[in-house]
Amino acid sequence: AQSVTQPDIHITVSEGASLELRCNYSYGATPYLFWYVQSPGQGLQLLLKYFSGDTLVQGIKGFEAEFKRSQSSFNLRKPSVHWSDAAEYFCAITYTNAGKSTFGDGTTLTVKP
Amino acid sequence: DGGITQSPKYLFRKEGQNVTLSCEQNLNHDAMYWYRQDPGQGLRLIYYSQIVNDFQKGDIAEGYSVSREKKESFPLTVTSAQKNPTAFYLCASSNPGVVQHNEQFFGPGTRLTVL
Repeated sequence: AQSVTQPDIHITVSEGASLELRCNYSYGATPYLFWYVQSPGQGLQLLLKYFSGDTLVQGIKGFEAEFKRSQSSFNLRKPSVHWSDAAEYFCAITYTNAGKSTFGDGTTLTVKP
Repeated sequence: DGGITQSPKYLFRKEGQNVTLSCEQNLNHDAMYWYRQDPGQGLRLIYYSQIVNDFQKGDIAEGYSVSREKKESFPLTVTSAQKNPTAFYLCASSNPGVVQHNEQFFGPGTRLTVL
């Protein structure tokens, strides 16, 4: 069965510092890959997605992610974090056109002033 | 504006009562999903529906039921058989037939508390 692992439960960075959130998946084929962000008590919002082509994808709010097939990874990055980026981040994969996704357990980001 | 609405935002239920959570979308999406979210456990799929009048169990369907009589509506009933229903419930929709738009769109969630 497919699975998604986000190794870091909680990350703290200083405002203005760079950020990398890790995501690994397990499956034989290349999945469709997504990163979502969730503010407390809210629904999830899509940050970016990869389904084919260029392995470096740009998203909203200055985020980017790189798909590395050899490492089965899809890590999320941001060069300079803002206080408003504090939230929970979820990596997700979808394998078929059925649309059913598997989500990681999430990484909570805290931003220090 | 297109989107997904969930109601109510907060819901309180006494033990032994059934309760229904509403989810409506005006995105013309074919597929709809219900997730349960508990602290530290991410999102777990309860039920999903790819087309009207059809739905499938997800990973944690026991104690829940759904219907999909209309494309835009996918209500979730939490029955008294659900042993630990206190959680945050999220509804989502997608158009899985269009690869480039395969992401899920989420509603704002309903927080259910059993008293």
